[in-house]
Amino acid sequence: IAGITQAPTSQILAAGRRMTLRCTQDMRHNAMYWYRQDLGLGLRLIHYSNTAGTTGKGEVPDGYSVSRANTDDFPLTLASAVPSQTSVYFCASKASGGPGELFFGEGSRLTVL
Amino acid sequence: GDSVTQMEGPVTLSEEAFLTINCTYTATGYPSLFWYVQYPGEGLQLLLKATKADDKGSNKGFEATYRKETTSFHLEKGSVQVSDSAVYFCALSDQGAQKLVFGQGTRLTINP
Repeated sequence: IAGITQAPTSQILAAGRRMTLRCTQDMRHNAMYWYRQDLGLGLRLIHYSNTAGTTGKGEVPDGYSVSRANTDDFPLTLASAVPSQTSVYFCASKASGGPGELFFGEGSRLTVL
Repeated sequence: GDSVTQMEGPVTLSEEAFLTINCTYTATGYPSLFWYVQYPGEGLQLLLKATKADDKGSNKGFEATYRKETTSFHLEKGSVQVSDSAVYFCALSDQGAQKLVFGQGTRLTINP
């Protein structure tokens, strides 16, 4: 089934630990995004990538890093997790150019204790 | 910077009621506007969109009209169903930009 796959679905993590959230898409979309969803705050953009080999900072990038080695994969890394990073994380992709539709994964729920 | 403001929820209605969820935006240039819906336990999916002033987006009985003069994109449905219970997000994409800016979301519950 075409779309975006995120892993893990859910994770509990001790503060200070390193964590990588995985995101893979099979639609050959150029642009990919990571958002976090928090109650009352909607979705906030963490990092994005317009094409393989390039990345950019979104609204709330601190404490997170990304890489885009190829078109399909866009992992998000928390180098040293803190409780304020407890959230639901969504990966999304879009074909490049114009106001196209974003396709979302089903989310990764992360709890940092 | 660009921003989107939605009416605060939660919103609770009875089946077959009329629905309006307000959305206003602030942006430079001429953004494209979107409504996304998130059903329980799922990611967001596009509900409808409008790319220029006076365009009307529609899907699944929902409608929204791009009003440049009032910088609004209110979501409406004439007769809601229990299956419409979800969180609805208004969003904008600036012309030429690759990024979407989302509102805070409005949780809608429809009671039978």
